[in-house]
Amino acid sequence: DTGVSQNPRHKITKRGQNVTFRCDPISEHNRLYWYRQTLGQGPEFLTYFQNEAQLEKSRLLSDRFSAERPKGSFSTLEIQRTEQGDSAMYLCASSLRAQPYNEQFFGPGTRLTVL
Amino acid sequence: SQQGEEDPQALSIQEGENATMNCSYKTSINNLQWYRQNSGRGLVHLILIRSNEREKHSGRLRVTLDTSKKSSSLLITASRAADTASYFCATVNNNDMRFGAGTRLTVKP
Repeated sequence: DTGVSQNPRHKITKRGQNVTFRCDPISEHNRLYWYRQTLGQGPEFLTYFQNEAQLEKSRLLSDRFSAERPKGSFSTLEIQRTEQGDSAMYLCASSLRAQPYNEQFFGPGTRLTVL
Repeated sequence: SQQGEEDPQALSIQEGENATMNCSYKTSINNLQWYRQNSGRGLVHLILIRSNEREKHSGRLRVTLDTSKKSSSLLITASRAADTASYFCATVNNNDMRFGAGTRLTVKP
């Protein structure tokens, strides 16, 4: 158990609907990352926060995607007007800024299926 | 976009044998990390090797890094059925971490 939790673990939705996922990082970790992983591939970076500030966003994060970390603790990832191509595992990870080598601790992921 | 490329894509061995997975990358790095993922689960950090290190050990794991060839290898010795998983290398350059597509390892009992 890495200590990072994600909810829900599975989400099935119809195309065009909005979905929101939540990530609770390890409590003392000030960095939080979101990745997307499709079958047979490694995780692809989406965005990361240091405390409440969103410091980097991948070009994969289209305008339908938005992530927040309002109090520097938990984070949410929202996908608006979902498309079938959004079907993937969404992984959250956290780390300590004080760790210079960026070892990340991953949650179990939220598997999204868009019908 | 992904940075590392693992080789082979899939590997099947008998329990007790050694498993070697390779990772090649394209840009400069601060460090390289190996992660393991069981089916449908999150990733677990295995080992980290810094760019100024050439070899590192952790239990049954041995990692090498050749920055001149931009490649790394992960060796798992005396494999067990419980080692069956996907293994990913991840390159880190400042705060930027990029994963490869992974090697799927199957260890048969």
